[in-house]
Amino acid sequence: NAGVTQTPKFRILKIGQSMTLQCTQDMNHNYMYWYRQDPGMGLKLIYYSVGAGITDKGEVPNGYNVSRSTTEDFPLRLELAAPSQTSVYFCASSILLGVDTEAFFGQGTRLTVV
Amino acid sequence: AQSVSQHNHHVILSEAASLELGCNYSYGGTVNLFWYVQYPGQHLQLLLKYFSGDPLVKGIKGFEAEFIKSKFSFNLRKPSVQWSDTAEYFCAVNALFGNEKLTFGTGTRLTIIP
Repeated sequence: NAGVTQTPKFRILKIGQSMTLQCTQDMNHNYMYWYRQDPGMGLKLIYYSVGAGITDKGEVPNGYNVSRSTTEDFPLRLELAAPSQTSVYFCASSILLGVDTEAFFGQGTRLTVV
Repeated sequence: AQSVSQHNHHVILSEAASLELGCNYSYGGTVNLFWYVQYPGQHLQLLLKYFSGDPLVKGIKGFEAEFIKSKFSFNLRKPSVQWSDTAEYFCAVNALFGNEKLTFGTGTRLTIIP
C-alpha cells in the first residue's frame, strides 16, 4: 500500500520559473491537503480539498494554485517561483477529519528557488 | 479559528530522562487533538490522537498525552526517553463539525543526548 506519494523529492527552480508538485494517494480519501514547512514555523496550510472538483484556500495560498480532477490526485502549481517559496512541501490525505481518523503525509518535496 | 501553541521550541534531554512537551490550543468547541512526530529527513507520522473518551491516550513507542479540557491543553509525555526519540514533535488540532482543517503548532525539536 503506497499511501501518499509526492514527486519530485527535490527541486531547484530559478526565480520566475513554474512547476507542479505532484501528489497521489491510493487510500480513496476524500480530503487532501498541501502544507509548507519552514524552520521554526511549523506547518502552514496552503490549499485543501474535500473531494474531486472542490478546493479551498488555507492560510498561505498566495503564489500557488491547485486542482482536484480525481479523488487520487491533488497537484500544487507554482506559476512564478519566488525565493519566499523555498520550503519543504507536504501533501496529506484523510477520510474525514473528526471521525476517528487522522491525516497521512507524503515524504515531502524540498524546493529551493534561486 | 483554532490555533495551537507549543512553547518549547527546543528541548535537550539525556537518555532515560522524563519528557513533557506542552501543547495548548484555542478553540471554544469540541476538538480532535493529535501529536505527530517527524524523524530527521522523514515525513510526519502519527504518534497518538484524542477524539473522545478517556482523556489519557497512549500512543506508539511509549508516548502518552493527557487532554485537560479546562486548560485547553494536550501535553505529550514519556517517562524515559531514548536516543531514537530525537525528532521534531508537532501538536495539531481539528475543530469538530464544519471545519476540515488540521492546524499545527510550530513544533518542538527534541534532542536526546546518549
